[in-house]
Amino acid sequence: DTEVTQTPKHLVMGMTNKKSLKCEQHMGHRAMYWYKQKAKKPPELMFVYSYEKLSINESVPSRFSPECPNSSLLNLHLHALQPEDSALYLCASSQEGGWGQGGRNTEAFFGQGTRLTVV
Amino acid sequence: GESVGLHLPTLSVQEGDNSIINCAYSNSASDYFIWYKQESGKGPQFIIDIRSNMDKRQGQRVTVLLNKTVKHLSLQIAATQPGDSAVYFCAETIAHGSGNTGKLIFGQGTTLQVKP
Repeated sequence: DTEVTQTPKHLVMGMTNKKSLKCEQHMGHRAMYWYKQKAKKPPELMFVYSYEKLSINESVPSRFSPECPNSSLLNLHLHALQPEDSALYLCASSQEGGWGQGGRNTEAFFGQGTRLTVV
Repeated sequence: GESVGLHLPTLSVQEGDNSIINCAYSNSASDYFIWYKQESGKGPQFIIDIRSNMDKRQGQRVTVLLNKTVKHLSLQIAATQPGDSAVYFCAETIAHGSGNTGKLIFGQGTTLQVKP
């Protein structure tokens, strides 16, 4: 299994709603990531989890709350979002805490993303 | 074939021609580079990677060239096909040592349009 699976594929939520995005991988990767991508722009890093611990928070507003319940799952909890938070949210995974670590050429995998619209 | 000396947001090529997509990376300490293909409505798909101890790596119909002196990366696609139409991103990171933060930083992307 070489997939990163994200659910839901599409999400529309109001500014007062609470929702969660889910990401799952079964490749034994110990690093998982959340990226945000606006239209016609490159993905921007939000969070990095390494061995189920948050290692990087790229100054993301607290209305985004990540969670890593185990080595296969990554969640992104959303609360009181703004319309400008509408974007494609991408989950990714890699081996052992970093891309291409340990001198190995490591395939790096992204999920298909969740298209989020905040109304 | 068609090449782009500087990064351009869009590259249009004829089916069957070779394509060259360029990327300038920012961090001279970066030692691992990846090219991704992203089709409309999908997540980025890994194409090929290269480490800084190499200057060329080949895959199936794709070649990545790395010039560390000028911090330049290129992706060559041979015999471009309509299915190659997508946005192509280069990405850089530090994979070794104390500089390894796990961050993968993306370039701006080039849209490849293949004309039949």
